[in-house]
Amino acid sequence: QSALTQPRSLSGSPRQSVTISCTGTSSDVGNYNYVSWYQKHPGKAPKLMISDVSKRPSGVPDRFSGSKSGNTASLTISGLQAEDEADYYCCSYAGSYTYVFGTGTKVTVL
Amino acid sequence: QVQLVQSGAEVKKPGASVKVSCKASGYTFTSYGINWVRQAPGQGLEWMGWISAYNNNTDYAQKLQGRVTMTTDTSTTTAYMELRSLRSDDTAVYYCARAYYDSSGQPAEWYFDLWGRGTLVTVSS
Repeated sequence: QSALTQPRSLSGSPRQSVTISCTGTSSDVGNYNYVSWYQKHPGKAPKLMISDVSKRPSGVPDRFSGSKSGNTASLTISGLQAEDEADYYCCSYAGSYTYVFGTGTKVTVL
Repeated sequence: QVQLVQSGAEVKKPGASVKVSCKASGYTFTSYGINWVRQAPGQGLEWMGWISAYNNNTDYAQKLQGRVTMTTDTSTTTAYMELRSLRSDDTAVYYCARAYYDSSGQPAEWYFDLWGRGTLVTVSS
């Protein structure tokens, strides 16, 4: 099972928006509305930011939003803030009770 | 306090085994499953498998089949991940992560809402 494809890095100035893509196949992202996104700061545990493509857990700022079209899911951070600088990973259910993560995207706030 | 507390760092030689623990507290242990995810140095996250704390159903990533075993102990609300025949490319931080399961012990939510802080496993001769 191949990792989902994400851009290696993205950057933006404070208050700008960035969108991270996550491209899979018709066997994972394209077949299930079970894409989640995780924020990871160095040395820290991953944190759930989006579940089920577009659901935002309690406590996650509303500047984080998720969507999906075909085999590609996206995470948008609107109004970048310094604390958003982190690595972001998508994850999709891939059938038969298995999951696949994305390759990860480093977001830099300029 | 709802949390997953993992065991400490390990250093192992190639060919050895390692067993990492993940103690759950603050929630009903058997209502959730535990997934294991690892991150090698400079690499991304890799899903390893899951175990239902309700009935010990498991599913493992194909590449780890035969080398990994996940278990739980409901009396101590602890999940374990054992990896055998360690190789240098098993060097990674290993995370446990919670997912909600239904009453038959199958995943009912498809995301990981609570994570442990990770356990560094170093494989070196």
